[in-house]
Amino acid sequence: GAGVSQSPSNKVTEKGKDVELRCDPISGHTALYWYRQSLGQGLEFLIYFQGNSAPDKSGLPSDRFSAERTGGSVSTLTIQRTQQEDSAVYLCASSLVSKNTDTQYFGPGTRLTVL
Amino acid sequence: TQLLEQSPQFLSIQEGENLTVYCNSSSVFSSLQWYRQEPGEGPVLLVTVVTGGEVKKLKRLTFQFGDARKDSSLHITAAQPGDTGLYLCAGFRGGSTLGRLYFGRGTQLTVWP
Repeated sequence: GAGVSQSPSNKVTEKGKDVELRCDPISGHTALYWYRQSLGQGLEFLIYFQGNSAPDKSGLPSDRFSAERTGGSVSTLTIQRTQQEDSAVYLCASSLVSKNTDTQYFGPGTRLTVL
Repeated sequence: TQLLEQSPQFLSIQEGENLTVYCNSSSVFSSLQWYRQEPGEGPVLLVTVVTGGEVKKLKRLTFQFGDARKDSSLHITAAQPGDTGLYLCAGFRGGSTLGRLYFGRGTQLTVWP
């Protein structure tokens, strides 16, 4: 079956530009997560959505970062006025529900390079 | 500051050797997971441990959750080149952070034939 898909797979942008990253979760999964993975680092939590509840935005590093999830399915992570330190792989994951034994299924990520 | 400290960061061994990767914290976790990540792909879940002292085996991989639920280890017996990859531990703290996974920095394992 189809897994989590992300687009684009690679994005190169100039400092100061805005970028949008897209995530298509597994159909039927109510929880969706965004993470950031920098070189030599583990995954850094950014935000997660659970059904119709208010998202947990506690991991967003600055107000330049925002995310939305439309219709409980597709999600878009937007980074405004990109900076070089935003360069990283952005990973999206989804799970059936959101509990501590659930399996999160990850997409292949979007590699963002800010010049 | 990383909530989960993983060691070693890099491990390079010969085929057939045994190895152990450690994941430690001063915080209690309601459960802990181990993932493996290949280049250009997202992490894939290997195991979830929930109960303090729990031991789970997956073929040549043995996972242990500490009694106090603050640490975990991954032991690989007779490593093979196919085991090469980035191993990540991650934990759920539960409560108000339900659903949020805290990741360690990972252990890059290379197994040479």
